[in-house]
Amino acid sequence: DQQVKQNSPSLSVQEGRISILNCDYTNSMFDYFLWYKKYPAEGPTFLISISSIKDKNEDGRFTVFLNKSAKHLSLHIVPSQPGDSAVYFCAAGTYGQNFVFGPGTRLSVLP
Amino acid sequence: KAGVTQTPRYLIKTRGQQVTLSCSPISGHRSVSWYQQTPGQGLQFLFEYFSETQRNKGNFPGRFSGRQFSNSRSEMNVSTLELGDSALYLCASSWGQGYYGYTFGSGTRLTVV
Repeated sequence: DQQVKQNSPSLSVQEGRISILNCDYTNSMFDYFLWYKKYPAEGPTFLISISSIKDKNEDGRFTVFLNKSAKHLSLHIVPSQPGDSAVYFCAAGTYGQNFVFGPGTRLSVLP
Repeated sequence: KAGVTQTPRYLIKTRGQQVTLSCSPISGHRSVSWYQQTPGQGLQFLFEYFSETQRNKGNFPGRFSGRQFSNSRSEMNVSTLELGDSALYLCASSWGQGYYGYTFGSGTRLTVV
């Protein structure tokens, strides 16, 4: 039973447009969320985080939105660039427990 | 500052053999977690060590084990390898307990034939 779901295995977006990656979770105890980006042959790298006391966190072109009542978060990338093409993982956790990762969404940004 | 180092990068083993993977965390990081990545399954949590003690464990069979040394370096061992163990094994370190983001290594690609 997957506690963290990323229902879109892949997503293609035109360069310059907005990319929206979605993530759903089932465990209401989760109160901290992370997004990681992974290129082939490299380990995942941290992108952005959000705690449950917020509903939005922004860092440059990346914004994460959290809807606690829907147990849903999304990552917006604006504008999308070809270098953003990677696999994106969302992760959810609570204090003292390891983060649970979703299966990932492969983003392709087309020039 | 050096990142998380995993060795070896690639490994080919035969079914039934055992394998040991190594992870050196970022200096000062005391927590080391191990994840298995397979296509479509994302990152599956194996276990976490903090100050030489296993603090959390995922849902993997007992063939998967690990340990952490006093310098925070960690090893992961898989005995009696099966074809399904072929995966990318990622190690991540963090400063401690709580909401600390992980820093991942580049992983060890294990292929079981």
